[in-house]
Amino acid sequence: QQPVQSPQAVILREGEDAVINCSSSKALYSVHWYRQKHGEAPVFLMILLKGGEQKGHEKISASFNEKKQQSSLYLTASQLSYSGTYFCGTDEAAGNKLTFGGGTRVLVKP
Amino acid sequence: GAGVSQTPSNKVTEKGKYVELRCDPISGHTALYWYRQSLGQGPEFLIYFQGTGAADDSGLPNDRFFAVRPEGSVSTLKIQRTERGDSAVYLCASSSGFGELFFGEGSRLTVL
Repeated sequence: QQPVQSPQAVILREGEDAVINCSSSKALYSVHWYRQKHGEAPVFLMILLKGGEQKGHEKISASFNEKKQQSSLYLTASQLSYSGTYFCGTDEAAGNKLTFGGGTRVLVKP
Repeated sequence: GAGVSQTPSNKVTEKGKYVELRCDPISGHTALYWYRQSLGQGPEFLIYFQGTGAADDSGLPNDRFFAVRPEGSVSTLKIQRTERGDSAVYLCASSSGFGELFFGEGSRLTVL
């Protein structure tokens, strides 16, 4: 069963912040985040392993609460380049076989 | 090449025809994955290889779909008796182990 992402879409002004949530009904080993721009391949952002760690990439950071089986991606001081669709991918067994959520479409306007 | 290469980038075929999609992973990557992405959806897992063997093919929708990786490098996804519902972008990804997946640009399949 695929993880549930929310919101489905968000529109931001440049410099604003946003949070994208990813929730699974299954126990997870890790959560992966990818960004895909229209017509392009998904691009890796970060991996979070169970243990509640928080990681960062540019001004994009994420957290993982393994007890709640949830992860959140934080877009801070958004830039135009942050526009795209963000997908979380969940891994239940450390096999790198990812189940992706339905995506969150982010549009950053000037 | 430096990245994952997929061919063809676009394929239009008629219902009932046979199709092959090719993936050339990053050199040295032992793991190779096939995903399918429909419009507005996240990638859906199909199969993954560790070396030459299929480590997990649980995502293949039915026996019309088959994939091989005979020498542990290039992989071919084969679809028999194509149906309109098979239309999607087929993504290939490779990795050196646990961690980042490097995706190709995908092969867009349209079944008329």
